Amino acid sequence: GENVEQHPSTLSVQEGDSAVIKCTYSDSASNYFPWYKQELGKRPQLIIDIRSNVGEKKDQRIAVTLNKTAKHFSLHITETQPEDSAVYFCAAGPRTGNQFYFGTGTSLTVIP
Amino acid sequence: NAGVTQTPKFRILKIGQSMTLQCAQDMNHNYMYWYRQDPGMGLKLIYYSVGAGITDKGEVPNGYNVSRSTTEDFPLRLELAAPSQTSVYFCASSRGGGYAGNTIYFGEGSWLTVV
Repeated sequence: GENVEQHPSTLSVQEGDSAVIKCTYSDSASNYFPWYKQELGKRPQLIIDIRSNVGEKKDQRIAVTLNKTAKHFSLHITETQPEDSAVYFCAAGPRTGNQFYFGTGTSLTVIP
Repeated sequence: NAGVTQTPKFRILKIGQSMTLQCAQDMNHNYMYWYRQDPGMGLKLIYYSVGAGITDKGEVPNGYNVSRSTTEDFPLRLELAAPSQTSVYFCASSRGGGYAGNTIYFGEGSWLTVV
């Protein structure tokens, strides 16, 4: 099955700086890569996703990039704000799969 | 439209007791999942279902059972609770499997402590 690795496990940035979280996947058949944000004590919620036929997708201050050759994808958050503090999970979905495979999560702290 | 609803939100169990976590979704989703999240850790898949009457094991199924008699409901049964089952449990659903366009919607979580 798919194996998703996520780095770093913790990340601290100053407010206004950028944050980058990276994930690698093992199954070249995976074609869907969502990112979920989980605030403290809350449920994970989708913030952005990308399909394998797209190299980059942006939504205001967040963006995701995908490198299919290297089998890695990244979440970029610019102009970070304290409310961006949360745990972020990447995931991969194989083209014919029934499951989503999650990374281990990155705890992001934005320091005011 | 309530989305994914799970109960109870908090529960303390004694070692050896059994209980059922209830989960229901009103989005007519075919796929449903149960994850557990240990403190400071990621999401581990316990069981999932691709439709009524069909269930399959995930990464950590031992000590749990599920059933899917209807599209809406996917209860998780804990038999003979052990301290290792202390965790936060998330029920989730999606229209389809892990491929493009199928967002996973999570319930609010159930905090379970086994003492």
